[in-house]
Amino acid sequence: QVQLVQSGPEVVEPGASVKVSCKASGYIFSDFYTYWVRQAPGQGLQLVGRIHPKSGGTYYAQGFEGRVTMTRDPSITTAYMELSSLTSDDTAVYYCARVAVVGIPLFDSWGQGTLVVVSS
Amino acid sequence: EIVMTQSPATLSVSPGERATLSCRASQSVGINLAWFQQKPGQAPRLLIYSASTRATGIPARFSGSGSGTEFTLTISSLQSEDFAVYYCQQYNQWPPYTFGQGTKLEIK
Repeated sequence: QVQLVQSGPEVVEPGASVKVSCKASGYIFSDFYTYWVRQAPGQGLQLVGRIHPKSGGTYYAQGFEGRVTMTRDPSITTAYMELSSLTSDDTAVYYCARVAVVGIPLFDSWGQGTLVVVSS
Repeated sequence: EIVMTQSPATLSVSPGERATLSCRASQSVGINLAWFQQKPGQAPRLLIYSASTRATGIPARFSGSGSGTEFTLTISSLQSEDFAVYYCQQYNQWPPYTFGQGTKLEIK
């Protein structure tokens, strides 16, 4: 079955960086983008960006450009999101989700989420 | 960027009754709209896409309607497991795909 398994929770200091991983299984990795969506405590869903599985081409949402880097390693069907210069506003649960490269762009499977707490 | 606005922010309904949630887009998105359900501590789950098509495994009590800028999610007879937060999302215009702010469905 389709699974997206994310790395564990992180506590990081302000100004530092965090790297979250998303291990995909149960489907053809190269057929799906990996999107990253974050959710601050008690808030809604905010798109962070996406990465193409084959080309590695990325899109970063406004507000994250210059601070986020998304990569992937197709050989181990894993995507990564690194966020730098962290502030308390970056405290959130970060989700990865798969979206088909071809066809209707549905967020049909999600990782379990990774809690990132920015605190000194 | 297309702004998605959901109403109400919180909806109180008794089990067994019908719930109607609304979503409005700042410009037409055709039928390129999805609905998600999110329970506390869980990831969002896709319920509806193309405005009215249920995703795999979603019960028939969930239905979606609308097109253009006005959309509705209806839950015909609320079960205890349906109390959650619901989000709409447009995927008509990229970038970016955008979410509404959510409607919390609570037990009355």
